[in-house]
Amino acid sequence: DAGVTQSPTHLIKTRGQQVTLRCSPKSGHDTVSWYQQALGQGPQFIFQYYEEEERQRGNFPDRFSGHQFPNYSSELNVNALWLGDSALYLCASSLMRIRDEVAETQYFGPGTRLLVL
Amino acid sequence: AQSVTQLGSHVSVSEGALVLLRCNYSSSVPPYLFWYVQYPNQGLQLLLKYTSAATLVKGINGFEAEFKKSETSFHLTKPSAHMSDAAEYFCAVSDWGGGFKTIFGAGTRLFVKA
Repeated sequence: DAGVTQSPTHLIKTRGQQVTLRCSPKSGHDTVSWYQQALGQGPQFIFQYYEEEERQRGNFPDRFSGHQFPNYSSELNVNALWLGDSALYLCASSLMRIRDEVAETQYFGPGTRLLVL
Repeated sequence: AQSVTQLGSHVSVSEGALVLLRCNYSSSVPPYLFWYVQYPNQGLQLLLKYTSAATLVKGINGFEAEFKKSETSFHLTKPSAHMSDAAEYFCAVSDWGGGFKTIFGAGTRLFVKA
């Protein structure tokens, strides 16, 4: 059973460019969340996707956008990159059991390390 | 709003000694609490989670944590440290079982001395 996978593992971009990061959730999961982890800090919630819609969003500008596909995989897009966007981007998946109002534990992928020069 | 404070950015223990990593939380609703571990250049691995079933939670690798509502704390302990426990540890809080927005602490780096 494959866990959460992310691609690419590493990426180098220059200021002003755009980047797309990809995530495939753990088998059986339907919800994907994205986090930004700057060096020496804890992960910060960017947004969460469920049923192909953004359900919750953290304190990130509109330059950060996402998408969820019918197969539950997801993309994170960042436009007009800043130096400060350099970080490890983590994807986490879970199963949202709406009827029980319980969301299962999140499982994290290995992350994509983005360096903006 | 929810928040997490981890006391001590670095903790150093000797191999075989008690490990104690401190975490205090703030939440306006009954919280779900988590401890994650992160090894260098890897993602986060769940150690344990509190979901109101029992105040003492046992996790993987011999770790456990106790939920104390009166102290708003969720400290992580392990009776005997092993060299392989050296890593970054994150305490986290969410308001709906972990599937919704999760707030992480800044992390505590654990060093284990031989």
